[in-house]
Amino acid sequence: SQTIHQWPATLVQPVGSPLSLECTVEGTSNPNLYWYRQAAGRGLQLLFYSVGIGQISSEVPQNLSASRPQDRQFILSSKKLLLSDSGFYLCAWRGLSAASSGNTIYFGEGSWLTVV
Amino acid sequence: AQRVTQPEKLLSVFKGAPVELKCNYSYSGSPELFWYVQYSRQRLQLLLRHISRESIKGFTADLNKGETSFHLKKPFAQEEDSAMYYCALSGGGGSTLGRLYFGRGTQLTVWP
Repeated sequence: SQTIHQWPATLVQPVGSPLSLECTVEGTSNPNLYWYRQAAGRGLQLLFYSVGIGQISSEVPQNLSASRPQDRQFILSSKKLLLSDSGFYLCAWRGLSAASSGNTIYFGEGSWLTVV
Repeated sequence: AQRVTQPEKLLSVFKGAPVELKCNYSYSGSPELFWYVQYSRQRLQLLLRHISRESIKGFTADLNKGETSFHLKKPFAQEEDSAMYYCALSGGGGSTLGRLYFGRGTQLTVWP
């Protein structure tokens, strides 16, 4: 079965420091991968998506970047964190359910980032 | 552009009472609508999707294209239903990207 993992689960970083959140998917090949952010009172916002190795699309301009060095690895990065980068970050992958051809997306456990 | 609106940030009901979480959307094509749920200390997970026309944990949701709504309903709420609920829209029609656009979420609390 497919699984998705992301780490670290929690992170406290000072302003101006770098960031690296990692996500890996197992049990599938060539998945679509996504990074979402859940900021307080603002719901879930799609940050990046990737349809293949080295292929990254950004949904919103921001202080973050994403990379996909391997088929099932997705990394969220920043060179210099801002206070506004604080939030709950979710990695996700897209699967096809057995019951339909719907675009079901499965989420990782999430990473809490606090920038101080 | 796609937009999902959940007008209620917080919703509280008593156990056994009916509950309806509202969701309205804006999309020019044929959307795929989903409800995701996040229980305390658990990951976000799919609750149901409109194309399956299923009932999960007693919840149902009907897509009303005329009203552009996809409200989530349950006739008798249970305490274990307390969670954050997100309505989501995919740019359907077999989009190869499968991007999901979420509403801001509704925190449901079911009191004993």
